Amino acid sequence: DAKTTQPTSMDCAEGRAANLPCNHSTISGNEYVYWYRQIHSQGPQYIIHGLKNNETNEMASLIITEDRKSSTLILPHATLRDTAVYYCIVRVVNFGNEKLTFGTGTRLTIIP
Amino acid sequence: DTAVSQTPKYLVTQMGNDKSIKCEQNLGHDTMYWYKQDSKKFLKIMFSYNNKELIINETVPNRFSPKSPDKAHLNLHINSLELGDSAVYFCASSQGPRLSGYGYTFGSGTRLTVV
Repeated sequence: DAKTTQPTSMDCAEGRAANLPCNHSTISGNEYVYWYRQIHSQGPQYIIHGLKNNETNEMASLIITEDRKSSTLILPHATLRDTAVYYCIVRVVNFGNEKLTFGTGTRLTIIP
Repeated sequence: DTAVSQTPKYLVTQMGNDKSIKCEQNLGHDTMYWYKQDSKKFLKIMFSYNNKELIINETVPNRFSPKSPDKAHLNLHINSLELGDSAVYFCASSQGPRLSGYGYTFGSGTRLTVV
């Protein structure tokens, strides 16, 4: 199973872009990178996913390096409501069934 | 409309009791999951059901018994509750196993406290 490494915590000023890095050096060719976040006391929320191309949606952008060993989640204009724990997950296939395995994530604090 | 709903939101009970947590999704998803988040905030999968069939059982004590009466519902029954069962339990659903690119939708959680 591919593991991910993320910084424990980060701060970002409100209105600035928040760039959250993730290392996944053992990722396999058919494994996707998923990003979720968990705002205090709520269920995890899906943000974005990608395989090898950069992706963008209404919430964020995902930049994946060419060798796929790392990625960066970008929140373009961070707001206070973006304060949360952000999880970078490589999707695991287990005996033909997939499951999301959460690590410890990055606690992102948006500073007013 | 709540996509994945869990009841109850809070549950306080004594050791040794039996309790159930219910989960329903109205997304038409084929697969449902139970995750446990302990006091250290670590999220760990417990079970996964696809079309009412158990497909993942992550070495959970057999005091925990999931039941899926139909693909829109996945309930979690816990027998002989122990102090260590205190946690937040999240239900989730997805389009199904092996479908690439589809995210999970999580419920808002059930905070179980065993006293």
